[in-house]
Amino acid sequence: GDSVTQMEGPVTLSEEAFLTINCTYTATGYPSLFWYVQYPGEGLQLLLKATKADDKGSNKGFEATYRKETTSFHLEKGSVQVSDSAVYFCALTLTSGTYKYIFGTGTRLKVLA
Amino acid sequence: NAGVTQTPKFQVLKTGQSMTLQCAQDMNHEYMSWYRQDPGMGLRLIHYSVGAGITDQGEVPNGYNVSRSTTEDFPLRLLSAAPSQTSVYFCASSYSQGSKQYFGPGTRLTVT
Repeated sequence: GDSVTQMEGPVTLSEEAFLTINCTYTATGYPSLFWYVQYPGEGLQLLLKATKADDKGSNKGFEATYRKETTSFHLEKGSVQVSDSAVYFCALTLTSGTYKYIFGTGTRLKVLA
Repeated sequence: NAGVTQTPKFQVLKTGQSMTLQCAQDMNHEYMSWYRQDPGMGLRLIHYSVGAGITDQGEVPNGYNVSRSTTEDFPLRLLSAAPSQTSVYFCASSYSQGSKQYFGPGTRLTVT
């Protein structure tokens, strides 16, 4: 079945370090891929998305590229800040057929000053 | 726009009690969903709706009912609360299948 697998956390980094959070997926059809971020006590909000192979989503210095050949959508940021501390969720949705929106288990990021 | 609103923010129930979690959106979105968030398990889809009058089950529907009489509202009913339903519940809406979702702030439910 369709699924999303992302690296377990927590991930602890120093400010200005490079961030990678791995995400791989299994899907029938052609999914759209998303990264959502959840700050403490809040709901999820969209960070970036990509709708087809080789698309790169980017926002606030974060990037992720839709890699169909490796079924991956890894999140990267060149220089993290303390304010990036949050939980990050990789997700997919199918663009046709049965409605499905599948989330990974989330990766907690803690950035130290 | 208020976006997606949820009430209440917190709720404590005793086993066997029933209650309704409210969700409303003012973006005229057709798609609405309910998720529960549990530690180490990400978000799991409970029920969803693709338009007024149309609902369907998600991954973990047992113990929950939904209805969609208007485009704006999508309440989630717990029929007989159980401790296993202790969780944080999020409502979300989207314009179409495949588009991004807008999430409410969540309801933290504890069942004792």
